[in-house]
Amino acid sequence: SQELEQSPQSLIVQEGKNLTINCTSSKTLYGLYWYKQKYGEGLIFLMMLQKGGEEKSHEKITAKLDEKKQQSSLHITASQPSHAGIYLCGAREGTDSWGKLQFGAGTQVVVTP
Amino acid sequence: NAGVTQTPKFQVLKTGQSMTLQCAQDMNHNSMYWYRQDPGMGLRLIYYSASEGTTDKGEVPNGYNVSRLNKREFSLRLESAAPSQTSVYFCASRQQGWGNQPQHFGDGTRLSIL
Repeated sequence: SQELEQSPQSLIVQEGKNLTINCTSSKTLYGLYWYKQKYGEGLIFLMMLQKGGEEKSHEKITAKLDEKKQQSSLHITASQPSHAGIYLCGAREGTDSWGKLQFGAGTQVVVTP
Repeated sequence: NAGVTQTPKFQVLKTGQSMTLQCAQDMNHNSMYWYRQDPGMGLRLIYYSASEGTTDKGEVPNGYNVSRLNKREFSLRLESAAPSQTSVYFCASRQQGWGNQPQHFGDGTRLSIL
């Protein structure tokens, strides 16, 4: 099965600073999803990447999928307290997998004043 | 917009007790999923239902059963709870079809087995 490794496991960033989270797969990614989770809540969908070299942005969050389609990065510019939480990447298991996702272990982000 | 609703939100059980976790979605999605989330392990798929009337095992199905009651509802049952099943359980739904539609998640059920 596909394995997803996220790095770092956790990070503390000062408000206003940038941060980057990486998600590396052991196999080709057919669809890579980024979610955010706040403590005690469910997962909120952020973005989905499918094509090699694809890049998407929403507000201050940018996600990229590398050309070889085995790694994705999530970049937050000028972090704010609202960016605190756990970020998880999820990958489709092949092209015909009924939408099943394999998830990374998550990256916990803490934003300090 | 309710989206995906899970009940209960919290539950404490004794070893050997049984329980059913309920999940309902109002987005007319075809596919539904049950995951468990444990510290340091991300989410692991327990069972999924690609469409109404079908269910299949995921990565960690042992000790669980599921029922796709109708298109809206997908329940997860623990027949004889064990401490190893202490976890946070998430239900998700997705519109099956063309394109990589994302899964939409409920807020989770926090389950403790004593």
